[in-house]
Amino acid sequence: AQSVTQPDIHITVSEGASLELRCNYSYGATPYLFWYVQSPGQGLQLLLKYFSGDTLVQGIKGFEAEFKRSQSSFNLRKPSVHWSDAAEYFCAAARGAGGYNKLIFGAGTRLAVHP
Amino acid sequence: GAGVSQSPSNKVTEKGKDVELRCDPISGHTALYWYRQSLGQGLEFLIYFQGNSAPDKSGLPSDRFSAERTGGSVSTLTIQRTQQEDSAVYLCASSLQVRRGGGDTQYFGPGTRLTVL
Repeated sequence: AQSVTQPDIHITVSEGASLELRCNYSYGATPYLFWYVQSPGQGLQLLLKYFSGDTLVQGIKGFEAEFKRSQSSFNLRKPSVHWSDAAEYFCAAARGAGGYNKLIFGAGTRLAVHP
Repeated sequence: GAGVSQSPSNKVTEKGKDVELRCDPISGHTALYWYRQSLGQGLEFLIYFQGNSAPDKSGLPSDRFSAERTGGSVSTLTIQRTQQEDSAVYLCASSLQVRRGGGDTQYFGPGTRLTVL
């Protein structure tokens, strides 16, 4: 079955430190891949997405993600975290007959930022 | 411009009652999606509307759930005979649907928090 896994439920980093959030997918073929962020009481906001081509994708708010086919991974990174980055982050994928628009989400990673 | 709006923002109901949740997509967006976010199940796809095509209802968890989209714009998600396990945040999203292969960016509303007592 198609699935998206985010191994880390909670991550805490210090402000200014680097960040990497992990995401692995299980699909028959490479899906479209997305990272969304959800702040408390807010809807989901798209950070970046990967369809094909360059495996390093730049997004908003200084985030980037790297697609690695050999590892079925799409990890999100940021070189220096700001306190305002505290939120929940969701990796999502879409693929398959009739499924290109149905996002399958990982369980999310809640990020806390210490001053 | 205006984003996706949803109403009500919060809804508390008693078990067995019917509820209607409303979604106003971004103007001009032809595709509309409903998702559910709950503690036990995470974020789940429910239903997808694209233009005048038949909706993809493959994610609806039971026949108590239904949705319609009138005039290609506003959508209503209806849950009949609500159960406690229906308690969740219901998120609506819309997209322009310009890519033949899909994957268009979905813009999400703030959600409706449903509590079934």
